[in-house]
Amino acid sequence: QKEVEQNSGPLSVPEGAIASLNCTYSDRVSQSFFWYRQYSGKSPELIMSIYSNGDKEDGRFTAQLNKASQYVSLLIRDSQPSDSATYLCAVNPIKAAGNKLTFGGGTRVLVKP
Amino acid sequence: EAGVAQSPRYKIIEKRQSVAFWCNPISGHATLYWYQQILGQGPKLLIQFQNNGVVDDSQLPKDRFSAERLKGVDSTLKIQPAKLEDSAVYLCATRDVGNTIYFGEGSWLTVV
Repeated sequence: QKEVEQNSGPLSVPEGAIASLNCTYSDRVSQSFFWYRQYSGKSPELIMSIYSNGDKEDGRFTAQLNKASQYVSLLIRDSQPSDSATYLCAVNPIKAAGNKLTFGGGTRVLVKP
Repeated sequence: EAGVAQSPRYKIIEKRQSVAFWCNPISGHATLYWYQQILGQGPKLLIQFQNNGVVDDSQLPKDRFSAERLKGVDSTLKIQPAKLEDSAVYLCATRDVGNTIYFGEGSWLTVV
């Protein structure tokens, strides 16, 4: 079992719709969770972090965390063509120490005009 | 604020040759990481430095990969001898005190 698993996609959504991305992780001691966006040929950039169970909203992005189910998700509302990218889920076992990040394989999102 | 600088951006070498990548972190960032990202996969941690000391190198193939961070600032990652499966993007990243990790643009390696 991979430590962090994501559906590779592509996830195709029409412009203006909600894109829903899922991520599961195997290490129960994981404390902090991140979503990175990576455009083709570019490096990952952080878009969201979440540490507590529940929802966290930032603009059009909402991260959802359920530690009991070892599940974290990302919702992108009002999807735009510029949101077309690969979204990487990353997990860190220690909240404050900023230890290494373990990444999933990424989900490719295609937003069609 | 300047970002994480990496060079060279692109490199093509033959198998069994050697290559070195350089990383200059954001000023003041004590933690530095080297990640390997194979096409279609997520980044995989190779090595983590805290200042000039190694924190984690458990996934570094030490028979061919080496890395150093002299004086706790710049870092180099070397591969010798290279294999075809080393073709990947090598990402350098640094972490600020707020726990945010910043990636450089990456060094693209093709081994032929």
